[in-house]
Amino acid sequence: AQSVTQPDIHITVSEGASLELRCNYSYGATPYLFWYVQSPGQGLQLLLKYFSGDTLVQGIKGFEAEFKRSQSSFNLRKPSVHWSDAAEYFCAVGANAGNMLTFGGGTRLMVKP
Amino acid sequence: DAGITQSPRHKVTETGTPVTLRCHQTENHRYMYWYRQDPGHGLRLIHYSYGVKDTDKGEVSDGYSVSRSKTEDFLLTLESATSSQTSVYFCATGTAIENAEAFFGQGTRLTVV
Repeated sequence: AQSVTQPDIHITVSEGASLELRCNYSYGATPYLFWYVQSPGQGLQLLLKYFSGDTLVQGIKGFEAEFKRSQSSFNLRKPSVHWSDAAEYFCAVGANAGNMLTFGGGTRLMVKP
Repeated sequence: DAGITQSPRHKVTETGTPVTLRCHQTENHRYMYWYRQDPGHGLRLIHYSYGVKDTDKGEVSDGYSVSRSKTEDFLLTLESATSSQTSVYFCATGTAIENAEAFFGQGTRLTVV
């Protein structure tokens, strides 16, 4: 069975600083990997996804993520954080067709002015 | 945004009462999912459907049942609500296209007192 670990429950960064959120997965085959963001009281919005090809994927809102098979990781990055990026971020792995997702526990990002 | 509507958005109910949450989609997506979100656990799959009248259990299905009589509607029922079922419930949908992401509703906050 697949699993996803997000080691950092909370992260605080200063506005304008760079950001990296960690995600490690366990899956027996080639994974389909996703990052979602959840603002308070809202549903989940897709930031980006990886399923094949270039291991560096670009997403919305200036985010990118790099798939590293050797490390079973799919870390999310942003070069300069904005106050509006404060939210909870979820990494997920998909099981083939059908969009069924296994989620990590989430990382809550706080942004200091 | 995918047309996914969850109702009700908030509900308080008493222990032992039955509760039904509704998910309605206008996207004609084949797959529908119910997740629950709890702090530290991310989202966990309760049940899913891969077509009308076709459903299966997810990771945390005990105490829940589902029904899908039409493509657009997916109902989640708590037969006899318990305090451990206090959570935020999310509905998601997805197409049959491999690698496609899931689309999420806004969530239902359920409190069992």
